[in-house]
Amino acid sequence: SQTIHQWPATLVQPVGSPLSLECTVEGTSNPNLYWYRQAAGRGLQLLFYSVGIGQISSEVPQNLSASRPQDRQFILSSKKLLLSDSGFYLCAWSAMGSFGELFFGEGSRLTVL
Amino acid sequence: AQKVTQAQTEISVVEKEDVTLDCVYETRDTTYYLFWYKQPPSGELVFLIRRNSFDEQNEISGRYSWNFQKSTSSFNFTITASQVVDSAVYFCALREYTGNQFYFGTGTSLTVIP
Repeated sequence: SQTIHQWPATLVQPVGSPLSLECTVEGTSNPNLYWYRQAAGRGLQLLFYSVGIGQISSEVPQNLSASRPQDRQFILSSKKLLLSDSGFYLCAWSAMGSFGELFFGEGSRLTVL
Repeated sequence: AQKVTQAQTEISVVEKEDVTLDCVYETRDTTYYLFWYKQPPSGELVFLIRRNSFDEQNEISGRYSWNFQKSTSSFNFTITASQVVDSAVYFCALREYTGNQFYFGTGTSLTVIP
């Protein structure tokens, strides 16, 4: 069966520090991968999605970046965090070529101080 | 323009009451997919249902039921005999045939009072 994991679960970082959130999917190949952010515990904002290794689409211009170094690995990064980067970050995957549902990871809660 | 609208921001019901969560979507695609997700306090989004645009048959799963009406572009979710464990934020989402994106509504926070 397919599983998705992301880490760390909780992160407290000072303003200006770097960020790296990782997400891996197991049990499937060539998944579509997504990073969402949920601020203030409500709406989901799509940050990045990827349909293959090295293929990243950015939805929101900001100081975050994403990379997909391997087929089932998706990384969210920042060189210098801002206060406004605080939020709940969710990684998700869907099967490529199908129109099935998104499966979400457990989420990473980032607090920037 | 918002592709998925969940007009109800917060709903509170007393346990055992029925509650309906509204979802209205907007798309020009003739083929599309609709979803509902539940986000309990733990934070992880849990998939509840997927419906494609060609299947307007309503679905029932235990206490949950979904009413899909293309004529009004709505995909409403009803919980019958609500329970405290139903307390969560519920999201409706749309995926169009022509893209890889999932468009989420802003969510409805449901509180079931014992």
